[in-house]
Amino acid sequence: NAGVTQTPKFQVLKTGQSMTLQCAQDMNHNSMYWYRQDPGMGLRLIYYSASEGTTDKGEVPNGYNVSRLNKREFSLRLESAAPSQTSVYFCASSEETGGNQPQHFGDGTRLSIL
Amino acid sequence: AQRVTQPEKLLSVFKGAPVELKCNYSYSGSPELFWYVQYSRQRLQLLLRHISRESIKGFTADLNKGETSFHLKKPFAQEEDSAMYYCALSPPMDGGYNKLIFGAGTRLAVHP
Repeated sequence: NAGVTQTPKFQVLKTGQSMTLQCAQDMNHNSMYWYRQDPGMGLRLIYYSASEGTTDKGEVPNGYNVSRLNKREFSLRLESAAPSQTSVYFCASSEETGGNQPQHFGDGTRLSIL
Repeated sequence: AQRVTQPEKLLSVFKGAPVELKCNYSYSGSPELFWYVQYSRQRLQLLLRHISRESIKGFTADLNKGETSFHLKKPFAQEEDSAMYYCALSPPMDGGYNKLIFGAGTRLAVHP
């Protein structure tokens, strides 16, 4: 029962390198999300996808792009990594959009940019 | 501005003591409120939500609209309650998506 699976779990990049974080869910959820968590702060929404074929910006989208490849998969891309993007990244999914739907989270990807 | 504040970074109690994890929010309407928990080496997961009015693992949370608070309580803490707890707010159908605004979290440490 995998739920939300994120790869990789850890990654170290040099400034300027690009990378794609992968996320897949097996719960047949329509909505998927990418968050980042910095020390001493709560999770902040980067991008979300309300349904297959749609994506929208969240609170902190600058420096990122996303792709909703299909219903299961939602990837996050850093085109030119910067030290300020050092963070823990979480992917989540929920059945539908709507204020009462709980979100299910992956294990997170710890990303360090030197 | 929509904001969730958890004033305590760390709450340290002894086993059997009462626990109250504080959460205050700023939002002009009637949001949905959640508590999420992350145990050591586990995923962040939903603990409870206001709309369900439920008690999970002995925890309850009461919404006080006058004080804009949603504190999490348990009368007798257990060592297995040690974890990171996040309060989260979801505006009702804001832009038509399930937006969660998280607090910074409170680490609960329950000592034997």
